[in-house]
Amino acid sequence: DTGVSQDPRHKITKRGQNVTFRCDPISEHNRLYWYRQTLGQGPEFLTYFQNEAQLEKSRLLSDRFSAERPKGSFSTLEIQRTEQGDSAMYLCASSHGTGAYEQYFGPGTRLTVT
Amino acid sequence: AQSVAQPEDQVNVAEGNPLTVKCTYSVSGNPYLFWYVQYPNRGLQFLLKYITGDNLVKGSYGFEAEFNKSQTSFHLKKPSALVSDSALYFCAVRAPRNSGNTPLVFGKGTRLSVIA
Repeated sequence: DTGVSQDPRHKITKRGQNVTFRCDPISEHNRLYWYRQTLGQGPEFLTYFQNEAQLEKSRLLSDRFSAERPKGSFSTLEIQRTEQGDSAMYLCASSHGTGAYEQYFGPGTRLTVT
Repeated sequence: AQSVAQPEDQVNVAEGNPLTVKCTYSVSGNPYLFWYVQYPNRGLQFLLKYITGDNLVKGSYGFEAEFNKSQTSFHLKKPSALVSDSALYFCAVRAPRNSGNTPLVFGKGTRLSVIA
């Protein structure tokens, strides 16, 4: 059973650098979500794809953030000109079907901006 | 806007005793409610969900949750706690709409510590 995978698991970068994270969802899932989790908080929604279409973006997703899912399979999340406030755990999840379906989460990418 | 409150940051319980982790929600319409558990250095794992029907739902690892519409609550319960249940627990809510999918809104989490 291949669950949701994320790469890298950890990323340390200097302020101002660009970073890109990858998420591979469960293969038959057509919905893919990105969340951000900071210490002591629950995950916060960033954006969501149905197949290759990005259907919703949170106000948390500033113009320095961009996400893609070019072929409706894996997704990438890029952060340009990183800031210290971007330090967080970035979680990817996928689901099959509409709203009643649960989301399955990957292990996350922990970003540290120095 | 939908929201979730987990009023306890930490719950301590002795092994073998029943446990309850509290969750209240605010949403327009009938909610979809979920519980997830997070172990250190691992992603969130789905435990159970309430969509419709019986107010008592059963999930993984012996956990269950009771939906109470009048109190807008969805408390997580287990009759007999195990040390291995020690983890961070998140309640989440989603408001269904015609498009079928809305973002999950999570509470801040409750850390459960089961003491041997």
